[in-house]
This record gives sequence, C-alpha cells and structure tokens, in this order.
Amino acid sequence: KNQVEQSPQSLIILEGKNCTLQCNYTVSPFSNLRWYKQDTGRGPVSLTIMTFSENTKSNGRYTATLDADTKQSSLHITASQLSDSASYICVVIPSIGAGSYQLTFGKGTKLSVIP
Amino acid sequence: GAGVSQSPSNKVTEKGKDVELRCDPISGHTALYWYRQSLGQGLEFLIYFQGNSAPDKSGLPSDRFSAERTGGSVSTLTIQRTQQEDSAVYLCASSPTSGSNNEQFFGPGTRLTVL
Repeated sequence: KNQVEQSPQSLIILEGKNCTLQCNYTVSPFSNLRWYKQDTGRGPVSLTIMTFSENTKSNGRYTATLDADTKQSSLHITASQLSDSASYICVVIPSIGAGSYQLTFGKGTKLSVIP
Repeated sequence: GAGVSQSPSNKVTEKGKDVELRCDPISGHTALYWYRQSLGQGLEFLIYFQGNSAPDKSGLPSDRFSAERTGGSVSTLTIQRTQQEDSAVYLCASSPTSGSNNEQFFGPGTRLTVL
C-alpha cells in the first residue's frame, strides 16, 4: 500500500527560528510531490510542487527538497513567524495514468510558533 | 476570484439522520474531489468527478455514502443513516482538469459531528 510518513507529528519553535519537517514516502512511481499548509479550520493550501526530477523548490521562506533515490522530502522554514503555526502536509501523486488524481496524504506535522 | 466554497461550515446531527454537504468549485474547473479528514488522520480520498460523471467512487466507505454533480459545477455529498464514525471534516477540492500536475484547490471543509 502506498504510504506517506511525516515527522515529527508536532513541533513547537520560537518565533524567528528555523525548522525542518520530514516526509518519507513509498509511492512509486510518482509524478510529483507537494507540500500543503493547512491553517486550523481551513482547507489545505499548496506551498510547493516538485516533479520527480527536481531537487529543490522555494516559495518565500519555505524551501522544499526532494531525494527521489531515498524517497525523502523535507520542508525547511526560515525565520519563522507566528502565522506559520499550522499543519504541514506532504502529498505524493502517483504517475499511473488514470489514478494520477489519487493523492496520497501524510498525516501532517502540526507546527506551533510561539513568541 | 472566488475559491472553492462549502456549506454548511459545521453540521451537528443525530445518529441515523441523513445529511447533505454541498461544494461549489472554482468556476471552469472540470474536476472535483471529495475527501474526508478524521481527527489525527491524513486526508482520505472519497470520490472524483470529471464533469458530471464519477469515474472513481472507490473511496466511498459504504453504500450509505453517495455523491452527485450537476451542470459540471455544484456537487452534493450525501450520507444516509449517519453513524458516529462518520464524524469528520469533509473537504472538497477542484482542479482545471484531472491531470496529475494540476493543483487541487481546497475548500474550507464541512465539520460533521454525529451525536
């Protein structure tokens, strides 16, 4: 069964600090990997999208990396802000034709940024 | 422009009652998806529409769950004879087409509580 595992489950950091969230997956082959941010009570919002051939993708203070050999991805957040408090979800999209819309979601990492 | 909207935002119902959840996708998006997010779990795929047809209903957990889409736009997810285990956040997403590289845009979700 395709799986996406994220760590840590939760994380508390001080405002201004950096952090790195991890994602390990077994979905293979895959077409792209995405990181979503989900604020409490809201739907997920896409942060980065990487194809299997990309190693890194940045979106402001968010930088995602991908190692397709080890099937690992990370999301690095620099100079954290209180508004970064949210759940961060790793999503893998398989490349098998008709099922390529079936996203496989990790359970997310709940990040809390405190003053 | 308007994003994906869902209604109601919250629904509390008694066990055994039927509920209808509504999703208004982004105008012009042909693909529509329903997901369920239970507490502490990742998003679970329920059903996918391309236009008005649902080529994949494999994620529906039981025959008490059904969904329809009319006019290639609004979709309704119906849960009959609700059970307590149906309590979750039900998320709807839409994308321009169903290709694997098409980003899915999520609505805010409907939080369903079955007493």
